[in-house]
Amino acid sequence: QKEVEQNSGPLSVPEGAIASLNCTYSDRGSQSFFWYRQYSGKSPELIMFIYSNGDKEDGRFTAQLNKASQYVSLLIRDSQPSDSATYLCAVSSGSARQLTFGSGTQLTVLP
Amino acid sequence: NAGVTQTPKFQVLKTGQSMTLQCAQDMNHNSMYWYRQDPGMGLRLIYYSASEGTTDKGEVPNGYNVSRLNKREFSLRLESAAPSQTSVYFCASSEPGSGTDTQYFGPGTRLTVL
Repeated sequence: QKEVEQNSGPLSVPEGAIASLNCTYSDRGSQSFFWYRQYSGKSPELIMFIYSNGDKEDGRFTAQLNKASQYVSLLIRDSQPSDSATYLCAVSSGSARQLTFGSGTQLTVLP
Repeated sequence: NAGVTQTPKFQVLKTGQSMTLQCAQDMNHNSMYWYRQDPGMGLRLIYYSASEGTTDKGEVPNGYNVSRLNKREFSLRLESAAPSQTSVYFCASSEPGSGTDTQYFGPGTRLTVL
């Protein structure tokens, strides 16, 4: 059974702070790693994807991957109230790149 | 470009009734997926289709069937709905090996089984 674990929430940070979201996965054959953001009542939307060990930056977002530790994280710098949402970590494997999702971390950015 | 569309948006069924959830994508993707999301949980894969003409079971396939009608359309059928199938259902599509493997999600179908 492939498992993806996310740090338990909810997580609250003040506006302008750095939010740190963490995720571990069990399947060493996992190929790609994704962070999706999901607003209440909406569908998941892609924030970041990462394939290789190290850091990947896109604007205020940085994804970090450590395959040896089976760990992936997402940092959100200068957090804004509009970042308040549930963040889902997802890991792909298999020929169709099926995704296994974590249960999500609810982030609230306080004005 | 509509992306991934799903119908209906909302549905209420009685136990034992059947229904089909429809999904279509206009991105020319080969792979399509059906997930369910229960309150406070992540998404769980029900079935997927790696390419037109193929379907495979995911993590939670019991009680469901699927049809990959053509490259654009992938439907999910509940033959005899049960209250445990009350959930939000998301369809997604992707092009594995394209360089991103990103899955794009439809707006979801909110299903209640009484």
